[in-house]
Amino acid sequence: GAGVSQSPSNKVTEKGKDVELRCDPISGHTALYWYRQSLGQGLEFLIYFQGNSAPDKSGLPSDRFSAERTGGSVSTLTIQRTQQEDSAVYLCASSLAGGPTDTQYFGPGTRLTVL
Amino acid sequence: LAKTTQPISMDSYEGQEVNITCSHNNIATNDYITWYQQFPSQGPRFIIQGYKTKVTNEVASLFIPADRKSSTLSLPRVSLSDTAVYYCLVGSYAVDYKLSFGAGTTVTVRA
Repeated sequence: GAGVSQSPSNKVTEKGKDVELRCDPISGHTALYWYRQSLGQGLEFLIYFQGNSAPDKSGLPSDRFSAERTGGSVSTLTIQRTQQEDSAVYLCASSLAGGPTDTQYFGPGTRLTVL
Repeated sequence: LAKTTQPISMDSYEGQEVNITCSHNNIATNDYITWYQQFPSQGPRFIIQGYKTKVTNEVASLFIPADRKSSTLSLPRVSLSDTAVYYCLVGSYAVDYKLSFGAGTTVTVRA
């Protein structure tokens, strides 16, 4: 069956440019999560969606980062005026309802490199 | 937000049992403890979850003491393919849902 998909798989951009990262969750999953993983580091929580709303945006590193989710499905993470420290793998996950016992299903990630 | 602490790395040999302990001293009453496994260039995948006492599935066991301030993931008879990073996640559901992944434990299994 279809899992979580992310696109692009790799993105190389120049400092100062904007980038959009896309996540397609598993159909029927109402909860969606974005994480960032820098080289050799653990997962850093960015944002959580329940349906189309994001009750918790506290993990977004700066106001250059924003995320939206439309139709309770696809989500995009946008980074404006990218900086070199934004280089990382951005992981998306979805779960059925967002409860504490939910299993999160992760996508393969988008590797972002800012030159 | 329940902060977690895990060992950075552990080495083992094929056929041995590996035990990874995660500390979460300020775990909340409605928090669950979940462990994920991550291979290079892949997203994490679910291994096991528990609230208290012991949970066992086909791949691992999870031991949680009564005070729930720590938990131990036990991998029986590891093989080379168990070499991965293991994350301890402590989470609860609320309006301001927050998640806390540990830094992860890199387990290296040698022949």
